[in-house]
Amino acid sequence: GENVEQHPSTLSVQEGDSAVIKCTYSDSASNYFPWYKQELGKGPQLIIDIRSNVGEKKDQRIAVTLNKTAKHFSLHITETQPEDSAVYFCAASTGLNKFYFGSGTKLNVKP
Amino acid sequence: DAGVIQSPRHEVTEMGQEVTLRCKPISGHDYLFWYRQTMMRGLELLIYFNNNVPIDDSGMPEDRFSAKMPNASFSTLKIQPSEPRDSAVYFCASKTGMKETQYFGPGTRLLVL
Repeated sequence: GENVEQHPSTLSVQEGDSAVIKCTYSDSASNYFPWYKQELGKGPQLIIDIRSNVGEKKDQRIAVTLNKTAKHFSLHITETQPEDSAVYFCAASTGLNKFYFGSGTKLNVKP
Repeated sequence: DAGVIQSPRHEVTEMGQEVTLRCKPISGHDYLFWYRQTMMRGLELLIYFNNNVPIDDSGMPEDRFSAKMPNASFSTLKIQPSEPRDSAVYFCASKTGMKETQYFGPGTRLLVL
């Protein structure tokens, strides 16, 4: 089955700096890659997603890039703010409704 | 929309007891997923339903776990008998067949003593 690896496990940045989280996947049939943000005591919430026919997608301060050849995708957060502090999960899916999640990255934005 | 609703939010029980977790998906969503989240294994899919029918239960850890969806607005995940290693946060998620996006509930934090 699909295997998704996520790095780093923890990331600490200064407010205003950029943060980058990277994921790799193993199944070349995967074609949908969502990113979820999980705040303490809450369920994961979708923040951005990308499909395999697109190399990059941006939504305000958040962007995701996908390299199908290398089987990796990344989340970029610019101008980080304290409210960006949370655990971020990447996931990969072949479109058959099963998401395979990475192990998560705990982002701490220091004011 | 109220989003996915789960109850209870917290459950503490003793080993050997039966535990029932409940989920109400977003109205109009025809897929429902049960996930378990632990520090060791992360987020893992246990089972999912489409139109109230279980499609894939390959993630259910063992026979002690069972899930039902008697109608489009309600699902249960039951553990009988419960064991300390079942302690985790259990999430329910739902989606429509038209899109890939899954919407997660707030989770049930289960502690089995």
